[in-house]
Amino acid sequence: ETGVTQTPRHLVMGMTNKKSLKCEQHLGHNAMYWYKQSAKKPLELMFVYSLEERVENNSVPSRFSPECPNSSHLFLHLHTLQPEDSALYLCASSQGFSGAGPTSPLHFGNGTRLTVT
Amino acid sequence: GQQLNQSPQSMFIQEGEDVSMNCTSSSIFNTWLWYKQEPGEGPVLLIALYKAGELTSNGRLTAQFGITRKDSFLNISASIPSDVGIYFCAGQNPNYGGSQGNLIFGKGTKLSVKP
Repeated sequence: ETGVTQTPRHLVMGMTNKKSLKCEQHLGHNAMYWYKQSAKKPLELMFVYSLEERVENNSVPSRFSPECPNSSHLFLHLHTLQPEDSALYLCASSQGFSGAGPTSPLHFGNGTRLTVT
Repeated sequence: GQQLNQSPQSMFIQEGEDVSMNCTSSSIFNTWLWYKQEPGEGPVLLIALYKAGELTSNGRLTAQFGITRKDSFLNISASIPSDVGIYFCAGQNPNYGGSQGNLIFGKGTKLSVKP
């Protein structure tokens, strides 16, 4: 069982669809993250949850809606996305979150490759 | 906000050659991290550096935390085909904040190795 597991690995959706990305971590960490990875750009932090409480929002469009039911699971609900939202969405976890950042190096999942048509 | 300049953007090398890449910034960092991302996978932590001047090895990989705290270097010796991937640096300073928090990533160096 890998440390951070993401499903699905690939997702193609139309602009009117509603879908969800799932992330599960088996590391006993208390903080979980959603990052967006686009070509030739640094990783973009979207959301942070620490002990199931949302910490950062970063002005992400409301068509992205995170959910963290417990410290091991993280979801990203998607609706009415745009083609420019096509990217690799990475989930990560760390031991904790303090101030404005993780308290240990991030462990990443393998990502969900999202294509919006 | 803080930014990291990672260079080179890409490298094409022959198997057996040594590789050097770096990450620089105008800002000071307290932690430097180096990750590798292989095709179809997420980034995997290679080396973490926590002290200025620190030199740390992980097999054929060696990373250094620059004395000025504004840069870090990653070297790969005797490259092999499985070294192919994108190498990312990340810097962290608890005093920073902003939309990306206090952990900032570089854009990555794409390494290609010819057998």
